[in-house]
Amino acid sequence: GNSVTQMEGPVTLSEEAFLTINCTYTATGYPSLFWYVQYPGEGLQLLLKATKADDKGSNKGFEATYRKETTSFHLEKGSVQVSDSAVYFCALTGGFGNEKLTFGTGTRLTIIP
Amino acid sequence: EPEVTQTPSHQVTQMGQEVILRCVPISNHLYFYWYRQILGQKVEFLVSFYNNEISEKSEIFDDQFSVERPDGSNFTLKIRSTKLEDSAMYFCASRAPGQGSTFFGQGTRLTVV
Repeated sequence: GNSVTQMEGPVTLSEEAFLTINCTYTATGYPSLFWYVQYPGEGLQLLLKATKADDKGSNKGFEATYRKETTSFHLEKGSVQVSDSAVYFCALTGGFGNEKLTFGTGTRLTIIP
Repeated sequence: EPEVTQTPSHQVTQMGQEVILRCVPISNHLYFYWYRQILGQKVEFLVSFYNNEISEKSEIFDDQFSVERPDGSNFTLKIRSTKLEDSAMYFCASRAPGQGSTFFGQGTRLTVV
């Protein structure tokens, strides 16, 4: 079945540091890939997505590239801010009309001023 | 911006009692979902609903669970006889037809005592 393996947390960085959160996946077919973010006390918000190989999703300074050859979708940001502190979830949908989301375990990110 | 709305935000119930969690999906969406997140764990798929019937359910979604779309706007999750292990955050989500992204509500935190 489909699965998502995500970098273990928690991750603590200083403001303006470079961020990478690793995500790899296992899926049959042609999955779409997503990053969701959960701010403290809030629900899940879609951060970015990519629907086919070599696509780059981007939003709010975050980027992730769909790499079919390495089955990866790593999240990056060049300069993090305190407001980026949240839990980040990598997820996929299976394709073939199967649009349920399979999530990774989540990575808690804390940014220190 | 349209959003998925869930009520209540927090529900406390006694073990063995029935609970109904309510959701109003985004108005032009046709696919509806429930997910849950046990504290500190990953987000798990429960059930998907389309065209007034369940299209897929996970092994978590046993006979104690049911979903309903009683009118044109609401989507409910009923747990018939709650157990302590049902304590979790329950997220409703909806998606437009085609390759639209899945949007989540803020969640209902269910505490079974």
